[in-house]
Amino acid sequence: GIQVEQSPPDLILQEGANSTLRCNFSDSVNNLQWFHQNPWGQLINLFYIPSGTKQNGRLSATTVATERYSLLYISSSQTTDSGVYFCAVERYGKLIFGTGTRLQVFP
Amino acid sequence: NAGVTQTPKFRVLKTGQSMTLLCAQDMNHEYMYWYRQDPGMGLRLIHYSVGEGTTAKGEVPDGYNVSRLKKQNFLLGLESAAPSQTSVYFCASSTGRMYEQYFGPGTRLTVT
Repeated sequence: GIQVEQSPPDLILQEGANSTLRCNFSDSVNNLQWFHQNPWGQLINLFYIPSGTKQNGRLSATTVATERYSLLYISSSQTTDSGVYFCAVERYGKLIFGTGTRLQVFP
Repeated sequence: NAGVTQTPKFRVLKTGQSMTLLCAQDMNHEYMYWYRQDPGMGLRLIHYSVGEGTTAKGEVPDGYNVSRLKKQNFLLGLESAAPSQTSVYFCASSTGRMYEQYFGPGTRLTVT
């Protein structure tokens, strides 16, 4: 089946720093979503981005479907950005999740 | 508009007991999903439904059954719980196959 790999697995930042999270996938996909799982376990939709670039405040995402990767950019990080970031790709109506990037932002 | 809700939030079962998890959505979504999340891993799809009265197997369906008798509800059943089913269970819904999925808050299940 399709493989979804995220890097880095862990990231520690000081407040105000910028970061880039990467998601590689091994086969063509119909769509891709980025999620943030906060420290209380809630999964929050960040982006639905099968291709192209989208921005939402300090966060932006780019998916290059032909090269099978997506990037999530976090600028001017805040402590509330802490948690685990997942990308998930859709194949045949099913979401396949990566193992996530755990982000810790310290004041 | 509550979105996706899950009942209960926490549950402890003994091996061999049965239980049902309830997922409800008020967004009139056709598609609903059940996932499990184990420590250090992403979510894995257990079962899903593409409409009222339909169900289909996902990635890890063994030991679980589901029913979608009403469009807004999706039930996940464990007939004989095993310690390997200790996990956090998430329900999700979407308008259709190519649309983003919205997740409930999760149910933490421990089987002793």
